[in-house]
Amino acid sequence: EVQLVESGGGLVEPGGSLRLSCAASGLTFGDAWMTWVRQAPGKGLEWVGLIKTKTLGGTTDYAAPVKGRFTISRDDSENTVYLQMNSLKIEDTAVYYCRTPRGGPTGGYWGQGTLVTVSS
Amino acid sequence: QAVVTQEPSLSVSPGGTVTLTCGSSAGAVTSGHWPYWFQQKPGQAPRTLIYDTINKHSWTPARFSGSLLGGKAALTLSGAQPEDEADYYCLLDYSGAGLFGGGTKLTVL
Repeated sequence: EVQLVESGGGLVEPGGSLRLSCAASGLTFGDAWMTWVRQAPGKGLEWVGLIKTKTLGGTTDYAAPVKGRFTISRDDSENTVYLQMNSLKIEDTAVYYCRTPRGGPTGGYWGQGTLVTVSS
Repeated sequence: QAVVTQEPSLSVSPGGTVTLTCGSSAGAVTSGHWPYWFQQKPGQAPRTLIYDTINKHSWTPARFSGSLLGGKAALTLSGAQPEDEADYYCLLDYSGAGLFGGGTKLTVL
């Protein structure tokens, strides 16, 4: 059974930093592209960013609102993807989900989400 | 930046058929946008129903299908069930960056 488990959420002040983790099990993690998606309270889904597999250079892409502030990385030896969030703003408050895009044996899965609250 | 548009709300009768659409302000949606469809019920994480326009995952009920229709991506639900009442989101790829639509609240009544 494939599982994605996010952790690292919490309360942080504006301008602060936080690192989220997404631990994967039940799939060949090295073959999986990974994305982060967020959802502000009562709002819709927002694509945050993507990291491709190491064989594709581990290329990353980011949504405009987070580019330059957020960084996605992966540790295939730990089956984990990270979201480093710097210079946090109040509008970054959301539940953050990790997800495996595409199809095949690694695609289509979501974690349960972790809540990030940016407030003074 | 493009805007992805969805119907804010739709309703369908139990057993009926409904089509949700996903458009792009940048022009026609094509298979090159790799359209995805997701279902989200209150208090739950989203679930992927469709990827790459038409493809289903092993858990996707057969009554859901994806297509391109009139320059938009479309999700058709044939034979709606009460448990299909949920929010539905589409996602389009723009040269590597994704963009979600605002979501469609589907009511089954």
